Amino acid sequence: QVTLRESGPALVKPTQTLTLTCTFSGFSLSTSGMCVSWIRQPPGKALEWLARIDWDDDKYYSTSLKTRLTISKDTSKNQVVLTMTNMDPVDTATYYCARIQAAGATTLWFDPWGQGTLVTVSS
Amino acid sequence: EIVLTQSPATLSLSPGERATLSCGASQSVSSSYLAWYQQKPGLAPRLLIYDASSRATGIPDRFSGSGSGTDFTLTISRLEPEDFAVYYCQQYGSSPTFGGGTKVEIK
Repeated sequence: QVTLRESGPALVKPTQTLTLTCTFSGFSLSTSGMCVSWIRQPPGKALEWLARIDWDDDKYYSTSLKTRLTISKDTSKNQVVLTMTNMDPVDTATYYCARIQAAGATTLWFDPWGQGTLVTVSS
Repeated sequence: EIVLTQSPATLSLSPGERATLSCGASQSVSSSYLAWYQQKPGLAPRLLIYDASSRATGIPDRFSGSGSGTDFTLTISRLEPEDFAVYYCQQYGSSPTFGGGTKVEIK
């Protein structure tokens, strides 16, 4: 059974850097074809894809946020880490990680998802 | 970037009725590269449909997807009480995008 769980601070101040960890089980990111993504959802709003990391360490970022995002993995710990710099109140959202199906650089569908972690940006 | 527009924003129906949800793309979506998700309050999205018309594992057959190009549809043949939720479409790509969602509420 594949499961993912997000962890990180519930509250960050404006201009700070957010670090989120996705801890997963049921698969290995050292296995060919495995990929993990981060997605966020502001309260009451739609979903927004953020970043993706592949088994071979290829990385993909949202065009609008790529200057602020870094994704990395620790295969030995079954973890994927997302950092987002210069946080702003508009970044307040629930942040999800999910395993994805991919075809080369094309992200296909997201399944399953973690439960999500709410991050509030406020001074 | 492909923009997905879902309609209607809200669908008010009764249990047992048929729900038809639309997802329109700003440009043609390659090879039926579209998925649908269901999200209930406080929970993560759940994959329902991939490749426009293939049901994910464990999804009841009252859920069906269709369409290609720029127009896609999710149909729930007979609404069960647990189907009242928000539904999102998502297009595949190097920069995947989601629609704004359709809320299916109890009339």
